[in-house]
Amino acid sequence: SQTIHQWPATLVQPVGSPLSLECTVEGTSNPNLYWYRQAAGRGLQLLFYSVGIGQISSEVPQNLSASRPQDRQFILSSKKLLLSDSGFYLCAWSVLGLAADTQYFGPGTRLTVL
Amino acid sequence: ILNVEQSPQSLHVQEGDSTNFTCSFPSSNFYALHWYRWETAKSPEALFVMTLNGDEKKKGRISATLNTKEGYSYLYIKGSQPEDSATYLCAFVYGQNFVFGPGTRLSVLP
Repeated sequence: SQTIHQWPATLVQPVGSPLSLECTVEGTSNPNLYWYRQAAGRGLQLLFYSVGIGQISSEVPQNLSASRPQDRQFILSSKKLLLSDSGFYLCAWSVLGLAADTQYFGPGTRLTVL
Repeated sequence: ILNVEQSPQSLHVQEGDSTNFTCSFPSSNFYALHWYRWETAKSPEALFVMTLNGDEKKKGRISATLNTKEGYSYLYIKGSQPEDSATYLCAFVYGQNFVFGPGTRLSVLP
């Protein structure tokens, strides 16, 4: 069966510090991968998605970047965190990336920027 | 910017009550509508994927309907139980993009 891992589970970082969140998927090959953020009081917002190694699409201009160095690894990064980067970050995967394709979510990372 | 709305924002019901909530989305460029349940301290869990106007899906006591022409979907829970307490999210899909609504937070009181 497929599983998705995210770490760390929680993170407290000062403004201006770098960020690296990691997501890995097991039990499937060539998944579509997604990073979402839920800011306080807001809905889930798609940040990035990837259909393959090295292929990243960004949905919103922001202080963050994503990379996919391996087939089942998706990394969310920032060089300098802002207060507005605080939120709950979810990684998800799907088989084909089609509209009717279910997305399966990881356990999430709660990031607090102070 | 696409807008997906959900109502109500939150509601409290007694165990055994039936309830329903609404997801409103753009009626153009429709690809699919997803419903997820998100329990506290857990990952969002897929409930339904709906693609055709008039679709009705059911899983146990939970069911959903879809009207793509007017841009809404209803989620129904029959005989609510405390374990149904969660945030229910809908996601409107166009192309490869999922646009989530803000969710409806349901609390079922024993």
